[in-house]
Amino acid sequence: DTGVSQDPRHKITKRGQNVTFRCDPISEHNRLYWYRQTLGQGPEFLTYFQNEAQLEKSRLLSDRFSAERPKGSFSTLEIQRTEQGDSAMYLCASSLVAGSGNEQFFGPGTRLTVL
Amino acid sequence: QKEVEQNSGPLSVPEGAIASLNCTYSDRGSQSFFWYRQYSGKSPELIMFIYSNGDKEDGRFTAQLNKASQYVSLLIRDSQPSDSATYLCAVNLYNTDKLIFGTGTRLQVFP
Repeated sequence: DTGVSQDPRHKITKRGQNVTFRCDPISEHNRLYWYRQTLGQGPEFLTYFQNEAQLEKSRLLSDRFSAERPKGSFSTLEIQRTEQGDSAMYLCASSLVAGSGNEQFFGPGTRLTVL
Repeated sequence: QKEVEQNSGPLSVPEGAIASLNCTYSDRGSQSFFWYRQYSGKSPELIMFIYSNGDKEDGRFTAQLNKASQYVSLLIRDSQPSDSATYLCAVNLYNTDKLIFGTGTRLQVFP
């Protein structure tokens, strides 16, 4: 399978705990994006990388959230001191910047439940 | 005003009919427009994108873009029950690579 992969697929944690998610993009893609989706809403942008550089962060991304892409390949998203409002599907997408399409392909997502 | 607006639906069409899904956007700096399909509990799947005014066809799907009126639509011909899903419209602004999504339109195709 050469698509975007995410791990874990599901995570249940208690409020106040830290969690970390991993995303592996499509191998030749140099851009990687994180989105968050709650029930009945479209995905909301969180942050994105071109290679290892983090180019943009949403104002939604509080200082409890941090993302890295250390070698320009996989990325991690960490949430510290989780809150119940962090419960959502966390989606990773990747794209190859070529032309004006910027087609983003999503992974299966990590569903986070904070108790 | 939301940046990307879609009617939440559900839009119900009989099998074999044409389903028409609409999306309006507020920022005239929008550059590219995307349609994603999302089945319940799954992640969004890219159907097609468009960036020039007019129509773009791919199999049973046609995307239509009218930048002057700031709307983009998706037509699904010969709708099948397997097309029943939520369809998300997304917009890419000129000065960024992030996508801004609407809330999606739920489509139901009944036999």
